[in-house]
Amino acid sequence: EDQVTQSPEALRLQEGESSSLNCSYTVSGLRGLFWYRQDPGKGPEFLFTLYSAGEEKEKERLKATLTKKESFLHITAPKPEDSATYLCAVQVPVIKAAGNKLTFGGGTRVLVKP
Amino acid sequence: DSGVTQTPKHLITATGQRVTLRCSPRSGDLSVYWYQQSLDQGLQFLIQYYNGEERAKGNILERFSAQQFPDLHSELNLSSLELGDSALYFCASRSQGSGELFFGEGSRLTVL
Repeated sequence: EDQVTQSPEALRLQEGESSSLNCSYTVSGLRGLFWYRQDPGKGPEFLFTLYSAGEEKEKERLKATLTKKESFLHITAPKPEDSATYLCAVQVPVIKAAGNKLTFGGGTRVLVKP
Repeated sequence: DSGVTQTPKHLITATGQRVTLRCSPRSGDLSVYWYQQSLDQGLQFLIQYYNGEERAKGNILERFSAQQFPDLHSELNLSSLELGDSALYFCASRSQGSGELFFGEGSRLTVL
């Protein structure tokens, strides 16, 4: 069964204190790894897609990397507005009926204090 | 704004009742996904439709059903509601080109 595990579950950072979030996965036939940001009571907001090991994507203070077994989301010099839950998800094919789905990890709640 | 519209935003109902949640995907997107998010379960995939046809099914209860209409909007029907069905229900549509999912703001269901 496909599994996505995120760690840590929660992270408290001081403003400017860089850190990394981990997403490890066990899936058959990875088609893509996605990072989302979710604010309380809101829908997840797309951040990055990574397709192959070694790939990196950057956006402002966030940088996502991918290996064959895990992905990291690096937050550099975070600000209070970076406080959110960060979700990673893997896209796997559903062979029957040619569907596909995203399987999400449990998320990492990040709190950045000023 | 993701371009995905969900209604209603909030819904309070009683056990045993039935509700319908509605989703309009982004213009041009043919796929619609439904997810359930509760405090202890995270985001759980329920079902996917593509251009009116069911394409993938997750851990969707038999009391739940969904469909996608010719105009591509989708409805999720939840019946014989139980307290444990209280959750945020998200709809997402999939970008044809890049493949990522764009989520709506969700429908918060409270079953009393």
